[in-house]
Amino acid sequence: HSALTQPRSVSGSPGQSVTISCTGTSSDIGGYNSVSWYQQHPGKAPKLMIYDVNKRPSGVPDRFSGSKSGNTASLTISGLQAEDEADYYCCSYAGSCSLVFGGGTKLTVL
Amino acid sequence: EVQLVESGGGLVQPGGSLRLSCAASGLTFSSYWMTWVRQAPGKGLEWVANIKQDGSEKYYVDSVKGRFTISRDNAKNSLYLQMNSLRAEDTAVYYCARDPTPYFPDYFDYWGQGTLVTVSS
Repeated sequence: HSALTQPRSVSGSPGQSVTISCTGTSSDIGGYNSVSWYQQHPGKAPKLMIYDVNKRPSGVPDRFSGSKSGNTASLTISGLQAEDEADYYCCSYAGSCSLVFGGGTKLTVL
Repeated sequence: EVQLVESGGGLVQPGGSLRLSCAASGLTFSSYWMTWVRQAPGKGLEWVANIKQDGSEKYYVDSVKGRFTISRDNAKNSLYLQMNSLRAEDTAVYYCARDPTPYFPDYFDYWGQGTLVTVSS
């Protein structure tokens, strides 16, 4: 499976909303409701932010939300805060017990 | 508190071998799929391999098939990745991660801190 497609970078000002897209195919995103999103700060391990398209683990602010339409998943961060500046990765189940990540998106809070 | 601690990384020559370990604590290790994910320097995350709760099923990304072997020892709460015929493109930080879903791989809720593997002459 090829990597899922994410924009290389997005930006927004504090308090604004940003949306990061993640495009795959009918063999991954479009075929399953198993999309997850991870936040990674420099030098740190990834942190789960969204799973199963739109579910938030406990402790993740409700400013983070996920959705999916067809072969594209999206992560929306509302009320941007300085600490949201990080790299974000989507991930999808891709069949046959394999998973595939997106290339990552660098979020800059202006 | 769930903790995953990787070890075994280091510098190895092309064609060489290395065995990574991941020690798990604070969880019923035998209840979960476990996964290795890697990240090349300055690059994105890549799923490498995963293993079912009882070790009966193992899956790999195409680029490591036939070279890497994932295994686990539930009695020791440990996950392993045997890496043979290493190539420069295997240079990365290797993370172990827990998948909390019981039936098929889905997502990763706990990650280790990672261990760096450098393949270079």
